[in-house]
Order: sequence, then structure tokens, then C-alpha cells
Amino acid sequence: TQLLEQSPQFLSIQEGENLTVYCNSSSVFSSLQWYRQEPGEGPVLLVTVVTGGEVKKLKRLTFQFGDARKDSSLHITAAQPGDTGLYLCAGAMSLYNAGNMLTFGGGTRLMVKP
Amino acid sequence: DVKVTQSSRYLVKRTGEKVFLECVQDMDHENMFWYRQDPGLGLRLIYFSYDVKMKEKGDIPEGYSVSREKKERFSLILESASTNQTSMYLCASSFVGASSYEQYFGPGTRLTVT
Repeated sequence: TQLLEQSPQFLSIQEGENLTVYCNSSSVFSSLQWYRQEPGEGPVLLVTVVTGGEVKKLKRLTFQFGDARKDSSLHITAAQPGDTGLYLCAGAMSLYNAGNMLTFGGGTRLMVKP
Repeated sequence: DVKVTQSSRYLVKRTGEKVFLECVQDMDHENMFWYRQDPGLGLRLIYFSYDVKMKEKGDIPEGYSVSREKKERFSLILESASTNQTSMYLCASSFVGASSYEQYFGPGTRLTVT
């Protein structure tokens, strides 16, 4: 069982549709990050959320950190084919730990069809 | 821009061979990480290092070892490769104490053990 559960694992939608990806845990995180990974590349950071209830927007992407800092969501409005990729959430369990370690979720593979 | 490079994009090795995966970062980061990525399992931490010659086991260190003789270079060693080590291997680096915990990833090495 993973510490961070992402859902859904796979999502295939048409261009223009909206979608939400969830990242859930029974543990509290001091911060949570979302990464996107494109084929043949390593993950790239999209956003970091730190405060419970925090909402951050990145163009058509909206990220929310749960009030209790145990869960997060990523909402994409009017998805485009360029949004296709693997979305990973990652949490830091404490404000500082040796190595600044992150715990990663299993990922959500998104395909947006034109 | 931070750059993390990995020595090979694709590698095919035979069972029992000793395998070296090299990672180099150019931003003077203290922390370096090795992950393996398998479908549905996200990124699992093999080893990390927070300083030269320092190393800590991650979640799945069995069958692997690491070496960090220089700050910019972190090597992953498979002493005797086995088929269950066929995977994508990702190297990452980050600053110590960075409040965002952002990790910068290399493009990955897809290793196949036959």
C-alpha cells in the first residue's frame, strides 16, 4: 500500500473536457508537490502547496491542498493535447528531513485526444 | 537552468552482470537521489546522498549500492543484475534545506536485464 494514493490511474479524455486528479493519504504532509512527466523525460515540478486549504492556479491548472494537509487535487479546465503526460504528486512528511526526501504517489496517466 | 544528466538513455544487460548508472548535476546541489519507476508504483527511492561520501538507504535498497566521491556525481551500482531490476531509473538532485523540496530530475535510464 502506497502512502500517497492517486486516482484515477488512467484518464483518456477529449480536448476541451475538464478533469480532476486526486492525491490522498492518511498521513499529514508539511508540503505537497505536483510534477508532470512527458515520455522520455524526467518529472518536472508544476507547483508546491504548503498551507492547508491553499489553492494555486497555473493557467488552466488549479491545485488545492486539503485543509488537514492529507490530500490534494489537480483540476484541469479545457484540457488540451499538450496536457498529455504522467502527473505525480509528492509529499514531504516533515518541514525538514535529511536529504529533503519526498514520497511519491503512483501517478495518473492522462491522454487528451484532439 | 539546472541540468541533471544520466550516462545512458537505454541499457541492455545480461543477468549477473555488474551495471553502473552515472548521474551528474551542475548546480552544486547537496542532495542526490536514485529512484526506480515502474508502472502504477510511481517513484520508489533506492538510495539518497546528502553530502560527498554520505549515503542513506531508501525504500528499496536491496540489490543496489551507490557511490558519491564528488559532489556533482552520484552512481548507482547493480552488483549482479537480475531480471526484476528491469525498470526506468531516475536520478534527481536538490538543495539542502530548500523549503520547496523541489527535486530536479534527469531524463532517466531505461534498463533491460535479459
